[in-house]
Amino acid sequence: AQKVTQAQTEISVVEKEDVTLDCVYETRDTTYYLFWYKQPPSGELVFLIRRNSFDEQNEISGRYSWNFQKSTSSFNFTITASQVVDSAVYFCALSEDNYGQNFVFGPGTRLSVLP
Amino acid sequence: NAGVMQNPRHLVRRRGQEARLRCSPMKGHSHVYWYRQLPEEGLKFMVYLQKENIIDESGMPKERFSAEFPKEGPSILRIQQVVRGDSAAYFCASSPYFGAGNTIYFGEGSWLTVV
Repeated sequence: AQKVTQAQTEISVVEKEDVTLDCVYETRDTTYYLFWYKQPPSGELVFLIRRNSFDEQNEISGRYSWNFQKSTSSFNFTITASQVVDSAVYFCALSEDNYGQNFVFGPGTRLSVLP
Repeated sequence: NAGVMQNPRHLVRRRGQEARLRCSPMKGHSHVYWYRQLPEEGLKFMVYLQKENIIDESGMPKERFSAEFPKEGPSILRIQQVVRGDSAAYFCASSPYFGAGNTIYFGEGSWLTVV
């Protein structure tokens, strides 16, 4: 069965600090997809990144970077030089190569960036 | 996630009433998903629909909940005889085609409060 764990319930950092949000997943499939979504205080869910299981290259997008390691079943998300606008709940999600498109979301990590 | 339209954004219902939540997918998307987010929890898959078909409803409660995506018009999530435990945020998402690992784009959510 598929499962996503985000062990950090809440994190507080001071502006300009770097912060890493952890995501550990479980799946029996060899083909699967990992996602990160951001939910700011306004409530909407914003897509950040999609990664398939065959692509272990790390990705950087501005201040955001993602570290995918199949050996540890982790897909961690780092924000460099955090800003107050980064304050949100961040969800990691897993989709297996199956019919139905059932995404499994982690419980989320609430990030507070203090000025 | 621009383009997935959900309404109403906020809905208050008394116990026993019906709640209807509407979702118009992004232009060109024919696949719709409903997720529920209970307070302080992650998102739970409810149902996956294509036009006029329910593909996967494994996450739908067996009673009182139903979903449809008619040939014309938005997808509707209907909750009959609401109870306090139905209070949650209901998110709709859409994707352009069926395929494992599709990115799904979310609407802004509909917050249901049952009083």
